[in-house]
Amino acid sequence: DTEVTQTPKHLVMGMTNKKSLKCEQHMGHRAMYWYKQKAKKPPELMFVYSYEKLSINESVPSRFSPECPNSSLLNLHLHALQPEDSALYLCASSQEGRADGYTFGSGTRLTVV
Amino acid sequence: GQSLEQPSEVTAVEGAIVQINCTYQTSGFYGLSWYQQHDGGAPTFLSYNALDGLEETGRFSSFLSRSDSYGYLLLQELQMKDSASYFCAVRDQGYSTLTFGKGTMLLVSP
Repeated sequence: DTEVTQTPKHLVMGMTNKKSLKCEQHMGHRAMYWYKQKAKKPPELMFVYSYEKLSINESVPSRFSPECPNSSLLNLHLHALQPEDSALYLCASSQEGRADGYTFGSGTRLTVV
Repeated sequence: GQSLEQPSEVTAVEGAIVQINCTYQTSGFYGLSWYQQHDGGAPTFLSYNALDGLEETGRFSSFLSRSDSYGYLLLQELQMKDSASYFCAVRDQGYSTLTFGKGTMLLVSP
C-alpha cells in the first residue's frame, strides 16, 4: 500500500459545527503532516507528528486540533471555524528524517459557510 | 527561515522541452525536492537532489547547484497531461518538514 487516504473528500460546515478530517497510511511512515492549501498558493505546514507525538505546531489557531491515535492514523478536529478557513487540507507522510519524498493524500476540500 | 523563488507561469507546446528554475535561501540545506500538482489534485513527489548534479527519471530531470543555491526541473517531450503546477521545496533545518516555493503553473498547448 503506497497511498495516503483522506476522508471526506469534500466537507461543508457551518461556523458553529464540529467536524473531523481523517487520514490513514499503511506505509510504516513515522512522520505525518497536516498542510493547508489555498487556491493558487503552495501548501502551508500546520502540524507535524513524529512517532505519534506532536513535534511542530506552526502557530495554528486552537480551532484546529490535531490528534494521532496510532502510527497509521491522523485526525484534524475542527470547531468554530471561520469562512477564511475554507481551503484544501492535505495530509502527508514520510519516513522520519527523510526529506526525499512525501506521500500526500488527495485532500479534503473544506468550505466553511 | 526559508525562501524559494520560481517563475509563476511557463507556457510551452507539446513535444517541447521546458526548464523551471528555483533559487533558494535557507539557514541550512538538506536537499531540493520537486512536486507536481494537477488542478484539484494532490501534490506528487517527482524528484530530490541532495548533491550537486543531474538526476534523471524518465522524461523528467532535476539539477542542483548548491554553490549557486539554484536548481531546476527539466521536462522533455512535453505532453498535455504535464499541464500542472510544479513546486520546488526545501527541507527545514533539523526536521524533515518541507517549505514550498510559490509554484510554477505550466501550460502545455497543442
